[in-house]
Amino acid sequence: NAGVTQTPKFQVLKTGQSMTLQCAQDMNHNSMYWYRQDPGMGLRLIYYSASEGTTDKGEVPNGYNVSRLNKREFSLRLESAAPSQTSVYFCASILGSSTEAFFGQGTRLTVV
Amino acid sequence: GENVEQHPSTLSVQEGDSAVIKCTYSDSASNYFPWYKQELGKGPQLIIDIRSNVGEKKDQRIAVTLNKTAKHFSLHITETQPEDSAVYFCAASKNYKYIFGTGTRLKVLA
Repeated sequence: NAGVTQTPKFQVLKTGQSMTLQCAQDMNHNSMYWYRQDPGMGLRLIYYSASEGTTDKGEVPNGYNVSRLNKREFSLRLESAAPSQTSVYFCASILGSSTEAFFGQGTRLTVV
Repeated sequence: GENVEQHPSTLSVQEGDSAVIKCTYSDSASNYFPWYKQELGKGPQLIIDIRSNVGEKKDQRIAVTLNKTAKHFSLHITETQPEDSAVYFCAASKNYKYIFGTGTRLKVLA
C-alpha cells in the first residue's frame, strides 16, 4: 500500500521557470492538501481540496495554483518560480473531516 | 484568520524525564486537535489526537489535554527515550481545514 506519493522528490528551478508538483493517494480519501515547510515556520497550508471538484485557498496561496484532477490526484503548479518559493512541499490526504492526515515524503524545491 | 501558536520551539530533556509541548488556537469552532511527529527526511505522522468533546486522552507514554475555554491543548510525553527525538507539530482543524503550529524540536539526551 503506497499511501501518498509525491513526485519529484527533489527539484532545482531557475527564477521564472514553471513546474508542477504531483501528488497521488491510493487510500480512497476524499480530501487532499498542499503544505510548505520552512525552518521556524512549521507547515503552512497553501491550498486544499475538500472533495473532488472543489479547491480552496489556505494560508499562503499566492504564487500557486492547484488542480484536483480526480479523486486520487492533486497537483500544485508554480507558474513563475521565485526564490521565496524555495521550500519543502508536502501533500496530505484525509478520509473525512476530523480524521488523520496522511502525508507524502515531501518534495524539496530550490529556486535559484 | 485561524492561527495556532506552539511553544517551545526547542526542548531538551534527559532520558527518562517528561516533556510538555503547548499549543493555543484562535478559532473557537475548531473541533479536532491532532499531534504529529516528524523524523528527519520524512513526512509527519499522527501520534495522538483529541476531539473537542473530550478533555484528555492517553496512549501509553503520550497524553493530550484540551482546555476549550482557554483554547489551549498540550502534549505530554513521559519516560522519554532517545527515539522520541524528533519535531512535533500540533494542529487545529475545523471542517476540512487543518492549521499547524510552528513545530517543536525535541531532543532527548541519553
